[in-house]
Amino acid sequence: EDQVTQSPEALRLQEGESSSLNCSYTVSGLRGLFWYRQDPGKGPEFLFTLYSAGEEKEKERLKATLTKKESFLHITAPKPEDSATYLCAVQAETGANNLFFGTGTRLTVIP
Amino acid sequence: DAGVIQSPRHEVTEMGQEVTLRCKPISGHNSLFWYRQTMMRGLELLIYFNNNVPIDDSGMPEDRFSAKMPNASFSTLKIQPSEPRDSAVYFCASCRDRGRMKLFFGSGTQLSVL
Repeated sequence: EDQVTQSPEALRLQEGESSSLNCSYTVSGLRGLFWYRQDPGKGPEFLFTLYSAGEEKEKERLKATLTKKESFLHITAPKPEDSATYLCAVQAETGANNLFFGTGTRLTVIP
Repeated sequence: DAGVIQSPRHEVTEMGQEVTLRCKPISGHNSLFWYRQTMMRGLELLIYFNNNVPIDDSGMPEDRFSAKMPNASFSTLKIQPSEPRDSAVYFCASCRDRGRMKLFFGSGTQLSVL
């Protein structure tokens, strides 16, 4: 059964304190791994898609990496506006018309 | 581009009442998804349409739930009768290329069934 586990559930960082969020997955053939950002009261917003182990994508202070078992979202020198819930999702080769989401990491960046 | 538009933003109803949620996808997107989000289970796919045709409704929890997409610019999710355990945030999302699954989400409908 496809499974996505995100850790930690919640993370508090001081502004400028870099850290990483983890997404571990079990899927019968990975077609793609997705990162989304969700602000309170809003829908998830697309950040990245990774397709193969070793791939990396960057956007401003965020960098996503992928291995065969997990993905990391690295946040460098975060700012308060980076506070949000970060969701990881996998698209499997079977059931490819669906994204299976983790429950997210709630990030708070303190000024 | 107005994005995916959902209405209402909030819905409070009593158990047993019918609830209808509405969604307008982004123009040109041919795939539409309905998700439900709860604290315990996160985001779960309810149903998926491609070119207005329901393709996968295996996530619809019970016969009380139904969804339609009469045209490319409008979809509804109906719950009849509603129950307290249906309380959640319901999201609609659309994408242009279902192979890539880059989803654009609406702002959701917060449903509370008393």
